[in-house]
Amino acid sequence: DTAVSQTPKYLVTQMGNDKSIKCEQNLGHDTMYWYKQDSKKFLKIMFSYNNKELIINETVPNRFSPKSPDKAHLNLHINSLELGDSAVYFCASSQDGRAEAFFGQGTRLTVV
Amino acid sequence: GDSVTQMEGPVTLSEEAFLTINCTYTATGYPSLFWYVQYPGEGLQLLLKATKADDKGSNKGFEATYRKETTSFHLEKGSVQVSDSAVYFCALNFGGFKTIFGAGTRLFVKA
Repeated sequence: DTAVSQTPKYLVTQMGNDKSIKCEQNLGHDTMYWYKQDSKKFLKIMFSYNNKELIINETVPNRFSPKSPDKAHLNLHINSLELGDSAVYFCASSQDGRAEAFFGQGTRLTVV
Repeated sequence: GDSVTQMEGPVTLSEEAFLTINCTYTATGYPSLFWYVQYPGEGLQLLLKATKADDKGSNKGFEATYRKETTSFHLEKGSVQVSDSAVYFCALNFGGFKTIFGAGTRLFVKA
C-alpha cells in the first residue's frame, strides 16, 4: 500500500494549457505539502496545509492553486502553463508541522 | 534567514570507502535536523533524524550527530555500497510547517 501517492507520474503538455496533479496519503497525517524540484535537484516548498487549511504559500504565482478537499488529499491545479513550470512536483505529508515528511514518487511535468 | 549548506557533489567513492557529507545550517533557535535520500526516479525518503543537540541519528549504517556548537549535522558511513548511490539532502524544520532543504549531494559508488 503506497503511503503517499500522486498521479500522474508523467505529464507532457503545451504552453498555455491547464493541468492538475492529484495527491492522496493514507498515513492519517494532518499536514500535506507540495514541493517543486528543479533540474539541479533543488527542492523548494510551494504550499503546506494543516487540517485542510493553507498554512504556507511560498510566493508561488497564483496560476498555481492547491485544493484540499479533506485531510487525506491535496491537489494542485496549474493554469496557463509556462516553459519555466517544467520540473518534478512532489507531494508529501507529515504528522505535524515539525515531523519528518513522507514523499510521493513525484510528477515530472514537461511543458513544451 | 534559515538555511542549509551541504557539500557540493558529485562525490565519487569506491565500494567499502568511508563517506562523509558535510552539512551546516543557519538558524535562530533549535530546529529538528534530517537527512533524506533520493534514489533515481523516486521521491525522497527519510534516512535519519535528530531533534535536539547531541542526538545521534542512525539508520542502515549511516550516522549523523546534531552539533549545536558548530551548527552541523554531517552524514557518515563507514563502508559504502554501490546501492548507496543516490542524492542525499540535509534538511531542517522548526515546526513551522516548512522543511528547508540543502541543495543535495549526489553520491556515486563504484564497484
